[in-house]
Amino acid sequence: DAGVTQSPTHLIKTRGQQVTLRCSPKSGHDTVSWYQQALGQGPQFIFQYYEEEERQRGNFPDRFSGHQFPNYSSELNVNALLLGDSALYLCASSLGVASESPLHFGNGTRLTVT
Amino acid sequence: GDSVTQMEGPVTLSEEAFLTINCTYTATGYPSLFWYVQYPGEGLQLLLKATKADDKGSNKGFEATYRKETTSFHLEKGSVQVSDSAVYFCALSDLFSTDYKLSFGAGTTVTVRA
Repeated sequence: DAGVTQSPTHLIKTRGQQVTLRCSPKSGHDTVSWYQQALGQGPQFIFQYYEEEERQRGNFPDRFSGHQFPNYSSELNVNALLLGDSALYLCASSLGVASESPLHFGNGTRLTVT
Repeated sequence: GDSVTQMEGPVTLSEEAFLTINCTYTATGYPSLFWYVQYPGEGLQLLLKATKADDKGSNKGFEATYRKETTSFHLEKGSVQVSDSAVYFCALSDLFSTDYKLSFGAGTTVTVRA
């Protein structure tokens, strides 16, 4: 039973560039959430996708956007990268959008912006 | 808004010592409370949860009791092992809110020495 998979594992970008991160949810899950974890901090909620729509968004600028595909996989896009966007980006999947539905996290994508 | 405050680390212990990590929360609704663990190089894993006052969550020798009167959810383990070395995150979500996100504390790094 494959868990949540994320790609790439590591990425180095330059300020001003754009980046796309990918996530495949755990088998049977239909909801994907994205979190940003800065060094030494707890994860911060970016947004959640369900039925190919953004259902909820955290306090992140419009430079952060996403997409969910019919097979439930998801992408996170960040435009005009800033040094402060350097972080571990975590994808989490669940069944349905209810907040008590357990989240399963991937190992994350480590983004470094130079 | 909902928030979680947890004990700052790092915490260093000897094997078989008693571990306590304090966590307090602020929430306007009826939160569910969680402890997640992050091992080096891995994503977050759900360790235990409690969904209502006085519930006790337990797993792998860890326990935490949902105390509404003190708005706390402290994590405890009676005898730690080297394999318990990890970062521990306290988190909450509001069952009755349309806000589906998990709100995390900043994390507590625990190192257990042999």
